[in-house]
Amino acid sequence: QKEVEQDPGPLSVPEGAIVSLNCTYSNSAFQYFMWYRQYSRKGPELLMYTYSSGNKEDGRFTAQVDKSSKYISLFIRDSQPSDSATYLCAMNSGGSNYKLTFGKGTLLTVNP
Amino acid sequence: DSGVTQTPKHLITATGQRVTLRCSPRSGDLSVYWYQQSLDQGLQFLIQYYNGEERAKGNILERFSAQQFPDLHSELNLSSLELGDSALYFCASSPSTSTNIQYFGAGTRLSVL
Repeated sequence: QKEVEQDPGPLSVPEGAIVSLNCTYSNSAFQYFMWYRQYSRKGPELLMYTYSSGNKEDGRFTAQVDKSSKYISLFIRDSQPSDSATYLCAMNSGGSNYKLTFGKGTLLTVNP
Repeated sequence: DSGVTQTPKHLITATGQRVTLRCSPRSGDLSVYWYQQSLDQGLQFLIQYYNGEERAKGNILERFSAQQFPDLHSELNLSSLELGDSALYFCASSPSTSTNIQYFGAGTRLSVL
């Protein structure tokens, strides 16, 4: 079983839709959770950063962490064609563990 | 623009060869990380340096090595290249106050023919 599982999609939605992206993980030591956005042929760009359980909102983006279920989500409201990209979840346990463990990414297309 | 600079953008080479990938971290960041991204494995952590010293190692092959120089730039050396080494190689850096927040460069695409 991989440490982080993410549905690769692809996911195709109409402009204005609410998008839900999810990851599950198996390592209960993970405490820091991130979402990165990666456009084609570009590097990952940090979107959201969350510590432990709870919600965090930034504009149209909301990140949720449920440590009891080992499940994290990213919601995108009022999705735009410019949101079309691959979304990667990443996490680590903090402390002296510096490496990020990534999901494989979900390819999202928002159609105008 | 993340502030992390990677060169070259694209490398094409043959099996058995050796290449060097270069990374300049964001101004003030002491930590540099290297990751490999392939279609089947996704983004995999290779190695981390902090202020010139190796701090953590991941799934890095013995044919690969890295170093961080006094000016904080880092190089990833890949030798005895195989077809399976073809991938995107990313460098990331993080501020010393938060090693969990990592900023990625645009990557080097390596093609081994």
